[in-house]
Amino acid sequence: KAGVTQTPRYLIKTRGQQVTLSCSPISGHRSVSWYQQTPGQGLQFLFEYFSETQRNKGNFPGRFSGRQFSNSRSEMNVSTLELGDSALYLCASSMGGGDTQYFGPGTRLTVL
Amino acid sequence: EDQVTQSPEALRLQEGESSSLNCSYTVSGLRGLFWYRQDPGKGPEFLFTLYSAGEEKEKERLKATLTKKESFLHITAPKPEDSATYLCAVQAPLGGGADGLTFGKGTHLIIQP
Repeated sequence: KAGVTQTPRYLIKTRGQQVTLSCSPISGHRSVSWYQQTPGQGLQFLFEYFSETQRNKGNFPGRFSGRQFSNSRSEMNVSTLELGDSALYLCASSMGGGDTQYFGPGTRLTVL
Repeated sequence: EDQVTQSPEALRLQEGESSSLNCSYTVSGLRGLFWYRQDPGKGPEFLFTLYSAGEEKEKERLKATLTKKESFLHITAPKPEDSATYLCAVQAPLGGGADGLTFGKGTHLIIQP
């Protein structure tokens, strides 16, 4: 069974730009969660989608948004990028309902 | 607010030298506690899920245990390939069955040959 895939793997943007990251979950998984990982703050929860609905959201500004499609694939968008948005963005999928979350390899975003 | 604290932050061991990593948590009604391993530049790799106090799980040289306030990851006779950052995460009950993990900062483990 294929694992969670994320594209692109690396991205370089400048301040003020926007970016869209993509995540394809494990086949059959309906829940997709997004996390931001930085050296200072560690792994922090951004939001979770289940059956195209956002069920839970972490403590991040409205510049961070996402969506999920009918095939469970998910996208995350960050608008008006700031230097502090440089991080590894991780996507995780699960069956939902507290089941184990499996992570993708991440997208490394660098904001210059 | 849910909190997860891992100790030590870093640990250096000789090959074959057993030790334990600690994960202390405060959460209103634990739904699940998860251990992951993360190698540099990669996503976390799932190791164990524990649901109730007293539960134990083993995989090769690793054994995870859970009490009402903390979890331990015991590493027996480690090898250099066990070097990684070990992450602990908790999941609390949320409305509508929503998911979302709260992670500790991790323990950076180095096994020297």
